[in-house]
Amino acid sequence: EAGVTQSPTHLIKTRGQQATLRCSPISGHTSVYWYQQALGLGLQFLLWYDEGEERNRGNFPPRFSGRQFPNYSSELNVNALELEDSALYLCASSLIRGLVDGYTFGSGTRLTVV
Amino acid sequence: AQSVTQLDSQVPVFEEAPVELRCNYSSSVSVYLFWYVQYPNQGLQLLLKYLSGSTLVESINGFEAEFNKSQTSFHLRKPSVHISDTAEYFCAVSGNNNDMRFGAGTRLTVKP
Repeated sequence: EAGVTQSPTHLIKTRGQQATLRCSPISGHTSVYWYQQALGLGLQFLLWYDEGEERNRGNFPPRFSGRQFPNYSSELNVNALELEDSALYLCASSLIRGLVDGYTFGSGTRLTVV
Repeated sequence: AQSVTQLDSQVPVFEEAPVELRCNYSSSVSVYLFWYVQYPNQGLQLLLKYLSGSTLVESINGFEAEFNKSQTSFHLRKPSVHISDTAEYFCAVSGNNNDMRFGAGTRLTVKP
């Protein structure tokens, strides 16, 4: 069974540009979660999507947005990139009904803003 | 809502020594509890989980954690650590609403 896949693995962007990160969940998982892991700041919750809808959002500005497609894959967009957006962005997936299996994480996309 | 506190940000230990990584949680509902491990430049991997039943849960690589409801704790222990256990460890708690909360993480460094 394929795990959660994220692409690209690394991404280098210039300040002010836009970044698009992609995530494919485990087959059968309908919920997708995005987290930002900046150096020394732990896991910061960004977004939760389920069945194509945004279900919850963390304390991030509107320039962080995303969507979930009919096949449950998801995209995270970051507009007007700032230097402090440099971080590891982790995607996770789970079944919507309960969390008995927890989240399954991808390996992340390392975004570097220069 | 649930919350998690990991009491130690860094834990240095020597190889073959025992280790305990502490985790306390707060919640007004029944919870599921998890420990995840993150090796450098990788995502998080599920190490072990408590859902119900026996309060002591074990992983395949020698870690164990004990759910203590009265102390609202879920500490992670290993009797003898290896260099390869060096990683960041995250405690997490969820209720019945798909809302999983993570602790700030504990960096375990095993020294030779």
